[in-house]
Amino acid sequence: EAQVTQNPRYLITVTGKKLTVTCSQNMNHEYMSWYRQDPGLGLRQIYYSMNVEVTDKGDVPEGYKVSRKEKRNFPLILESPSPNQTSLYFCASSLRDPYEQYFGPGTRLTVT
Amino acid sequence: SQQGEEDPQALSIQEGENATMNCSYKTSINNLQWYRQNSGRGLVHLILIRSNEREKHSGRLRVTLDTSKKSSSLLITASRAADTASYFCRPGSNYKLTFGKGTLLTVNP
Repeated sequence: EAQVTQNPRYLITVTGKKLTVTCSQNMNHEYMSWYRQDPGLGLRQIYYSMNVEVTDKGDVPEGYKVSRKEKRNFPLILESPSPNQTSLYFCASSLRDPYEQYFGPGTRLTVT
Repeated sequence: SQQGEEDPQALSIQEGENATMNCSYKTSINNLQWYRQNSGRGLVHLILIRSNEREKHSGRLRVTLDTSKKSSSLLITASRAADTASYFCRPGSNYKLTFGKGTLLTVNP
């Protein structure tokens, strides 16, 4: 089944404790992207990757890192999480941009 | 980056009625995509219309695109309670364009 998977789905952590949210797709897509969704602010792009080893900042990259060492994986790294990074995170992929994107189920992160 | 802007922000209708929501954008595009999001879940792609198309249908969905006005509309006919969701447009171009805040559609049984 074609899908985008994210792990974990839910995470509660404390300020400053490094964490990684994994994202994997099995559709051989070139383009992958991370978004965060907050009430009243819609969906905002954090980082995206046009292909392996090619990443670029989205609208809200501060406090986040990404890497794209393999085509299927695009992890999101929070080196020192802060409470303002509490949010619902989505990973998405598409064959290439700007075509239809397939979204993962989301990761709800709470930083206390 | 620039984003599509959906209008209205919220729409409440009765089951069986039609729902229309609009999207405006600012730059030239290759295509425009519409997505649906059920509460707290990942977005689901509904339909893509290319810049050289004016209208496209998919089941109960009808999308129009007016590139001269830089706008698109999504019409859902004979709505059902299961259509209750947020709807987002995403203008696709070579520039960084992302999602807007969406239209929250509530279909009352």
